Amino acid sequence: QSALTQPASVSGSPGQSITISCTGTSSDVGGYNFVSWYRQLPGTAPKLMIYDVTNRPSGVSNRFSGSKSGNTASLTISGLQAEDEGDYYCSSYTGTTLVFGGGTKLTV
Amino acid sequence: EVQLVESGGGLVQRGGSLRLSCEATGFVFSSFNMNWVRQAPGKGLEWVSYISSGSTSIYYADSAKGRFIISRDNAKNSLYLQMSGLRDEDTAVYYCARGYYRIDYWGQGTLVTVSS
Repeated sequence: QSALTQPASVSGSPGQSITISCTGTSSDVGGYNFVSWYRQLPGTAPKLMIYDVTNRPSGVSNRFSGSKSGNTASLTISGLQAEDEGDYYCSSYTGTTLVFGGGTKLTV
Repeated sequence: EVQLVESGGGLVQRGGSLRLSCEATGFVFSSFNMNWVRQAPGKGLEWVSYISSGSTSIYYADSAKGRFIISRDNAKNSLYLQMSGLRDEDTAVYYCARGYYRIDYWGQGTLVTVSS
C-alpha cells in the first residue's frame, strides 16, 4: 500500500497550463482506469475534480483534464486562474482498496 | 443534497479507544459503499478502511488492521469507525467518504488527537 508519487509543488502564471503527474505501479495506476484527482483548499474537505482517468464531474470546469500512460496519470489545468490554487491529490483503485498520492501544492 | 456529517472525534490518551460516527443524508445510504480516509496535520490523505453497501466486503489499511473496526447501520444511515490501541500517529482529521473506485462526496471531517 505505498502511496502514489506526485511532485511536491508546481507553479504557473495566470493563463498558462500546468500538468501534475501521479506515478504508481501496474497494481494500481497501470492496472485500472480508476484514477481520480481531488483539490483541497486549506481547512476544507477534498473535492473530486477528475474520475476514471478522464471524466469530469458535473460543475467542474473543462479547463481540468486527465490522462494516463502506463503507470503514470496526469492532471492538466489549462488557462490557470488564481482560484485553482490548492493541494491536489491523485488516487487509484488497487483491486480492493484506494491509494492516494502524497499531494501537490499548486501555486498560481 | 448529499451530506456526510462526522462526529466522535476528540482528545484521547495513547492506547485508548474512540468511536467515530458519520450520519449520511441526501442519498440512499444503503446503496453506496463507504470509506474512512484520514489526514494527519500538514500531511496528505491516507485511505483507512472500506465497507461495501451491504457490509459483505470490508478492507483495512495495514496501519488500521487489528486495531480499527468499520461498520454501518443502513437503517440509521450511519457509518462507524471503532478505533482502539490508539497511537500518536493516528492523530488526524478523519473523513467519512462515499465511493469505491473514487470518492465523490466527503464529510467535513472530525479531528482525533492522541496524546500521552
